[in-house]
Amino acid sequence: QVHLQESGPGLVKPSETLSLSCAVSDHSISSPYYWGWLRQPPGKGLQWIGSIFHSGYTHYNPSLQSRVTISVDTSRNQFSLRLTSVTASDTAVYYCARHGDYGEYWYFDLWGRGTLATVSS
Amino acid sequence: DIVMTQSPDSLAVSLGERATINCKSSQSVFYNYNNKNYLTWYQQKPGQPPKVIIYWASTRESGVPDRFSGSGSGTDFTLTISSLQAEDVAVYYCQQHHSSPITFGQGTRLEIK
Repeated sequence: QVHLQESGPGLVKPSETLSLSCAVSDHSISSPYYWGWLRQPPGKGLQWIGSIFHSGYTHYNPSLQSRVTISVDTSRNQFSLRLTSVTASDTAVYYCARHGDYGEYWYFDLWGRGTLATVSS
Repeated sequence: DIVMTQSPDSLAVSLGERATINCKSSQSVFYNYNNKNYLTWYQQKPGQPPKVIIYWASTRESGVPDRFSGSGSGTDFTLTISSLQAEDVAVYYCQQHHSSPITFGQGTRLEIK
């Protein structure tokens, strides 16, 4: 069964960079899906951060685009998120998730369990 | 950005009764060329990631009980649970993928009365 697992430091200092990885198990990351990152501040709603295809083609949320880089490592079957210049408002549970390659399939049918990243000095 | 607005913010329904959640988009999420609404409903239980229950506004995801149904087109959508069960207690979100960026509603918390 396909499984996504986020990993990364749970605590990041203000102004530093948040780096997370998502390992994909029992499924090739080179299959025709996009692999995305979303986040959810404690007690709040969901925000899409961006998505990447195995070719490296990316789509980003314009509200975060200046600070976000999503990359893919097909040899390790994982993809990653970098968010620079973090502030307390970036504190959230970060999820990795999968969605289809064509627009009509851009809903998230598979999710990791999420990892809490806290921005604090 | 397309703004998704859900109503109500919270809802309490008795077991066995109908629950209805609404979602309104700031612009149409319907595509004429394939006759599809790019609108998804998710269920999120405490401590868990969201789970797809309805996609294309009215198509039930595999394995989702048939008491869940979705309706609507264009800008106005509804998620209906025909007979509320205890395991349906959750926060429900709508999401549009008609235009980038993908956006979500603020969520509706469903509880047992």
